[in-house]
Amino acid sequence: GEDVEQSLFLSVREGDSSVINCTYTDSSSTYLYWYKQEPGAGLQLLTYIFSNMDMKQDQRLTVLLNKKDKHLSLRIADTQTGDSAIYFCAEEGGTYKYIFGTGTRLKVLA
Amino acid sequence: DAGVIQSPRHEVTEMGQEVTLRCKPISGHDYLFWYRQTMMRGLELLIYFNNNVPIDDSGMPEDRFSAKMPNASFSTLKIQPSEPRDSAVYFCASSFTWTALTGELFFGEGSRLTVL
Repeated sequence: GEDVEQSLFLSVREGDSSVINCTYTDSSSTYLYWYKQEPGAGLQLLTYIFSNMDMKQDQRLTVLLNKKDKHLSLRIADTQTGDSAIYFCAEEGGTYKYIFGTGTRLKVLA
Repeated sequence: DAGVIQSPRHEVTEMGQEVTLRCKPISGHDYLFWYRQTMMRGLELLIYFNNNVPIDDSGMPEDRFSAKMPNASFSTLKIQPSEPRDSAVYFCASSFTWTALTGELFFGEGSRLTVL
């Protein structure tokens, strides 16, 4: 069945790079997604990658996709305290259906 | 423009009581989604609507849960009777057709439900 797995916690120092990893199961997903949830708020789409791409860069964010291993990662360069949040990886579970991981809680230490 | 509005933000109730969660989607959006978030299971899709019509309710856990969308600007998720295992944060999200296809869902701030 469909399943998206992430580690639950990551702690980094301000200014370092953060790498959040995700494994997914549905190889037919056209897109794979990263969402960010700030405290007390709903999820917000951060970025997404088309399944025929290996990498996508957007300012401080770099998404890497390894389709063979079904592995997706999100790298945040120069991590700031404002980046502290929960990050969710998601795959497509059908038209308009998104399967989310349990989320990785990123804590940035000053 | 206002985002997705959910109410109540917090609800504490006793087992067996009826709970009604409300959602006002962003004006003009034609897709509406209800998700449930728990520590153990993460974010689960319960049901989604297109143009007020339920399209897929396969994620609704059991008959105690029901959702309606009587018009384009309002939806409810009802739990009757509620049980402690229903305790979670319930999110409503909305989107246009073309943004829903690329995963750009606009989430509300959630309703945190605690059933004692």
